[in-house]
Amino acid sequence: DQQVKQNSPSLSVQEGRISILNCDYTNSMFDYFLWYKKYPAEGPTFLISISSIKDKNEDGRFTVFLNKSAKHLSLHIVPSQPGDSAVYFCAASGKLIFGAGTRLAVHP
Amino acid sequence: ETGVTQTPRHLVMGMTNKKSLKCEQHLGHNAMYWYKQSAKKPLELMFVYSLEERVENNSVPSRFSPECPNSSHLFLHLHTLQPEDSALYLCASSQETYPAGEAFFGQGTRLTVV
Repeated sequence: DQQVKQNSPSLSVQEGRISILNCDYTNSMFDYFLWYKKYPAEGPTFLISISSIKDKNEDGRFTVFLNKSAKHLSLHIVPSQPGDSAVYFCAASGKLIFGAGTRLAVHP
Repeated sequence: ETGVTQTPRHLVMGMTNKKSLKCEQHLGHNAMYWYKQSAKKPLELMFVYSLEERVENNSVPSRFSPECPNSSHLFLHLHTLQPEDSALYLCASSQETYPAGEAFFGQGTRLTVV
């Protein structure tokens, strides 16, 4: 039973537009969430995180929103750039449980 | 330098072979992890070590045997694997375990079982 779900396996966005990646979780005890970015042949790298006491965290072009009542978080990238093309994983802590990932393609 | 180094990067082994994957972290972290990434599946947490003690074993078959001789090194010993064990094996470390906080990953070992 997946505790962290990313229901969109892929997303295609035009350069300069907003990318929105979604993540749902089932365990209300999760209190810290992270987004990782992964390029082919590399390990995931940490991107941004959010604590359950907040509903928004922003870092440059990246913003994560948390809706605790809906058990939903999203990552917004604006403006999207071709270098953002990668697989994005959300994770919940506790035990760092990951979703299946969403492959983002940003095209010129 | 990523801080977490995995060797080898690629490994092809037969089902009767015995091999080991190695992970080393230079970040002074207390927790280390093994994950398995198969195609189109979530990253699967396999093992968690905290201060060299195994604190999590997610129902991993005994043909995978972890070893953590010190807080900087983590091994995954492999024997009599199956073709479905072919995957990318990722090692990670974090300052603490629960909650894990930000984890740093190695580049992974691409394992092919033939």
